Amino acid sequence: GDSVTQMEGPVTLSEEAFLTINCTYTATGYPSLFWYVQYPGEGLQLLLKATKADDKGSNKGFEATYRKETTSFHLEKGSVQVSDSAVYFCALLNTGGFKTIFGAGTRLFVKA
Amino acid sequence: DTAVSQTPKYLVTQMGNDKSIKCEQNLGHDTMYWYKQDSKKFLKIMFSYNNKELIINETVPNRFSPKSPDKAHLNLHINSLELGDSAVYFCASSRRQGDEKLFFGSGTQLSVL
Repeated sequence: GDSVTQMEGPVTLSEEAFLTINCTYTATGYPSLFWYVQYPGEGLQLLLKATKADDKGSNKGFEATYRKETTSFHLEKGSVQVSDSAVYFCALLNTGGFKTIFGAGTRLFVKA
Repeated sequence: DTAVSQTPKYLVTQMGNDKSIKCEQNLGHDTMYWYKQDSKKFLKIMFSYNNKELIINETVPNRFSPKSPDKAHLNLHINSLELGDSAVYFCASSRRQGDEKLFFGSGTQLSVL
């Protein structure tokens, strides 16, 4: 079945450091890919998405590129802030599917 | 003006009790979901309803029974609560079935003692 694997956390960085959170997927067909973010005590929010190969999703300085050849959708940010501390979830929605499948989440701590 | 609201936010109860969690969305969406997030933050879908009809029913004990009185509401009733039911339960909605963007509520933290 379809699945999403993302790097285990927690990831601890200093402010202004470069962030990469790895995500790979297994799916039949051509899924849409997402990154969601969960701040403490809140529900998940869509951060960015990409719907086809080579698309780049971006939002709030975060970027991820849909790489079909490596079945990956790694999240990057050039300079993290303390306010980016949260749990990040990679997810996919397969064509013709009705459920979004989430990875296990990666907790990010950013120190001032 | 919360888009997806669920109550209660916290629920502490004894094993064997029956409890309900309510969810309402004011976005006019057709599809609603229940997700369970365990202590390791792993998020797994439980149920999905589209226009009050059940469309996804994952492998969930039948002690869990969702009810959708209308497309703006999806409630979750849990009978005979067990320790392993302790988790955060999230309600979510999307514009339509298979739509790409999910809107989540802020979660209900259930603790079974």
